[in-house]
Amino acid sequence: EDKVVQSPLSLVVHEGDTVTLNCSYEVTNFRSLLWYKQEKKAPTFLFMLTSSGIEKKSGRLSSILDKKELFSILNITATQTGDSAVYLCAVNTNAGKSTFGDGTTLTVKP
Amino acid sequence: NAGVTQTPKFQVLKTGQSMTLQCAQDMNHEYMSWYRQDPGMGLRLIHYSVGAGITDQGEVPNGYNVSRSTTEDFPLRLLSAAPSQTSVYFCASSNTGEAFFGQGTRLTVV
Repeated sequence: EDKVVQSPLSLVVHEGDTVTLNCSYEVTNFRSLLWYKQEKKAPTFLFMLTSSGIEKKSGRLSSILDKKELFSILNITATQTGDSAVYLCAVNTNAGKSTFGDGTTLTVKP
Repeated sequence: NAGVTQTPKFQVLKTGQSMTLQCAQDMNHEYMSWYRQDPGMGLRLIHYSVGAGITDQGEVPNGYNVSRSTTEDFPLRLLSAAPSQTSVYFCASSNTGEAFFGQGTRLTVV
């Protein structure tokens, strides 16, 4: 059975802090790993990772994948209150199936 | 630019009733999926499809049926609603990359 585990489940930080969110996986026929942000509605796409060691960046957010150790991290630097959300990790397989983790709830306090 | 259209947004059912959640996409995506999201949890895969005429079960398929007669449409049927099916449901479509989500259906079974 495909499995995606995120940690921590929740995190409270203050504005300006840097956070690291973790995602580990065990799936058959890995194709890609994706990060999404969810704020009380449907998830919105952040990154898609397919190759190990190549960092993807978008502003203060960055992510990297390790296909040997089967994990990914999502970093957010200089956090802002607008970063408060649930961050979801999902793994796509070559069979067209997408499995999500339970998410990390990030709360950024002013 | 409709994307993924999911209806209805809200629904209240009595135990034992049946209903169909509608999902349509206009992006010519191969893959479509249905998820449920319970409070504090990630998205759990109910059923998915890799193309017209092809469907498969996800993690939590019991009590739900799907069909994919066209590329555009992927309805989810609740056969005999139970209180345990109270949840928020999301439909999603994709090719091999990011998933595009419908707006969600908040279903309550009383």
